[in-house]
Amino acid sequence: KAGVTQTPRYLIKTRGQQVTLSCSPISGHRSVSWYQQTPGQGLQFLFEYFSETQRNKGNFPGRFSGRQFSNSRSEMNVSTLELGDSALYLCASSLSRDAEAFFGQGTRLTVV
Amino acid sequence: AQTVTQSQPEMSVQEAETVTLSCTYDTSESDYYLFWYKQPPSRQMILVIRQEAYKQQNATENRFSVNFQKAAKSFSLKISDSQLGDAAMYFCASGEGGSRLTFGEGTQLTVNP
Repeated sequence: KAGVTQTPRYLIKTRGQQVTLSCSPISGHRSVSWYQQTPGQGLQFLFEYFSETQRNKGNFPGRFSGRQFSNSRSEMNVSTLELGDSALYLCASSLSRDAEAFFGQGTRLTVV
Repeated sequence: AQTVTQSQPEMSVQEAETVTLSCTYDTSESDYYLFWYKQPPSRQMILVIRQEAYKQQNATENRFSVNFQKAAKSFSLKISDSQLGDAAMYFCASGEGGSRLTFGEGTQLTVNP
């Protein structure tokens, strides 16, 4: 059974650009959550999607957005990139909201 | 709102010995779950153990067990017979389920041969 797949694994972007990250959950999982991990702020929840609907959103500016498709694949988008957006972005999927989450290997975003 | 605190930034243990990682949490939720995740240098978050708050019995998974003290809002992880492969950053987390997790700051565990 394939795990959670995140693409790309690494990205380098310039300030002001926008970026889209992709997450393919484990087959059958309908819940997808996104997290940002930085040395200074640690792991912070970005948003959660379930059956194409955003159920929860963390305390991040509107430049951070996401969506989920009918096949449960999810994308997150960051517009007008700032240096502080450099981070490891982790995606997690779960069978349902109260089931354990399985994480992907993350996308390392560097903003220069 | 939920908060999770890990007061030990670093811990070390000798191979084959036992180590306990501490975690305290605060939540306004009545139904919640607690987790320990391991993050090795590969950065892949791996679930170590999960505890449903409504269950009084402490969860165990092979060499890993927890001491869940609900009234004290404490959730420590005990690793028995430590192995070199246990070396990693360990995160304590709480949430309503598998989604919207609140993580602690992490504890870097070193296993000495």
